[in-house]
This record gives sequence, C-alpha cells and structure tokens, in this order.
Amino acid sequence: DIQMTQSPSTLSASVGDRVNISCRASQTISSWLAWYQQRPGKAPNLLIYKASYLESGVPSRFSASGSGTEFTLTINSLQPDDFATYYCQQYSTNSYTFGPGTKLEI
Amino acid sequence: QVQLAESGGGVVQPGASLRLSCAASGFDFSRYGMHWVRQAPGKGLEWLAVIWYDGSNKNYADSVKGRFTISRDNSKNTLYLQMNSLRAEDTAVYFCASVYQPGATFLGSWGQGTLVTVSS
Repeated sequence: DIQMTQSPSTLSASVGDRVNISCRASQTISSWLAWYQQRPGKAPNLLIYKASYLESGVPSRFSASGSGTEFTLTINSLQPDDFATYYCQQYSTNSYTFGPGTKLEI
Repeated sequence: QVQLAESGGGVVQPGASLRLSCAASGFDFSRYGMHWVRQAPGKGLEWLAVIWYDGSNKNYADSVKGRFTISRDNSKNTLYLQMNSLRAEDTAVYFCASVYQPGATFLGSWGQGTLVTVSS
C-alpha cells in the first residue's frame, strides 16, 4: 500500500502569513492527490484535486503543486478561518490513503 | 446541492455488529461512487471502503477487510456499512462521502458523520 506522510505535523503562524504544507507519497502517484481542510467538529472539505486544481468556491489564496511523490499546499495571506487541520490523500490506487494531517494553529 | 446524512451510530459492546446508513439527496446517487472514512477521537482520517456507482466493485482498507462490508441500494439512495466483530479501536466518527463527480474516484462531498463507540 502507498503510505503518505505530511510535514510539519503542527504549524504555528499568524494572520497574513504565507505557509507551506508538504505531503510525500511512498511511491509515485502521478498527480492523483487531493487536499482537504477540516475544522474542529466538522467534516472535511475538499480544497484541491489532481494535485493543483482548486475546487470551486475555495479562495484563491490556496494553491498547490507537485507530482510523483512530492506535493505542497500553499496558503497565502492567512485568514482566521484558515486555522484548521489539513490532510492530503492519494487516489492513485484503490486504497485511498490519507496523510496524518497538519494542524495549522495561531 | 449534495446532502449526505449518516445514521446508525451508537454504543455497542466488543464483538457486536452495527450497520451504518448514509442517506443521499440532491444528486443522482446511482451515478456516483461512494466512500466510508472514519476518524478516531483526536486522530486523523482513515479511509475504509469504496463502492462503485453500480455496486460492481468494492475495495477495503486492510484494517477492516473481512469485518466490514460496504453496500448500496440505488433505489433508496442509500449507502451502508455493515460492521461486524467490532473492537475498541473501531471507536470513531464514521463519515460517508461521494466522489467528486461521476467517473471520479476522489472524495467530493461529505456527510457530518455518526459516532460509533465500542465499549464494554
């Protein structure tokens, strides 16, 4: 099975900052990667699919890049709503592994 | 708009069985693949199972293979997860999710989840 890792596990930042979250796959997954945001007590929300495609309605301060095994989620000009946990997920195989998550905190 | 509503969670003893349901509305359920995902208290997301739009193909995480069964009734717009031989480590919020669009495989819309607690 493909294993997913994320770094850092926790990220401290301030409103207005730019942050990067990394996601790595244990083997190549081409661009079959999605990013989700989850706020406490809520269901996850899709942000990015196919590694870099922004889901409709997601603010343009979110962007993502990568292919193969290395991926990055970037959030520009952090807003208070952005402090949440972010997960990557591969869908290259029929075992849709999530990364362990990155908690973005103030 | 897509709405997904899980039900069937509760408190059960180890070794018991439970069936979760996910009622879908606002989209053509019969054209969408569906997933189950869970989240243990204070932990990350764990993908569990996927079923094709027509039920013809199913896949499971190793952690639940042989104990959990995903199924669907397209006439009732409902997804199910039959969970047998439950263990304490199965305690989690269980989410159903639809794929992003017909033909896609990644998760698009999610329900709000139902809590399953396995405890004696």
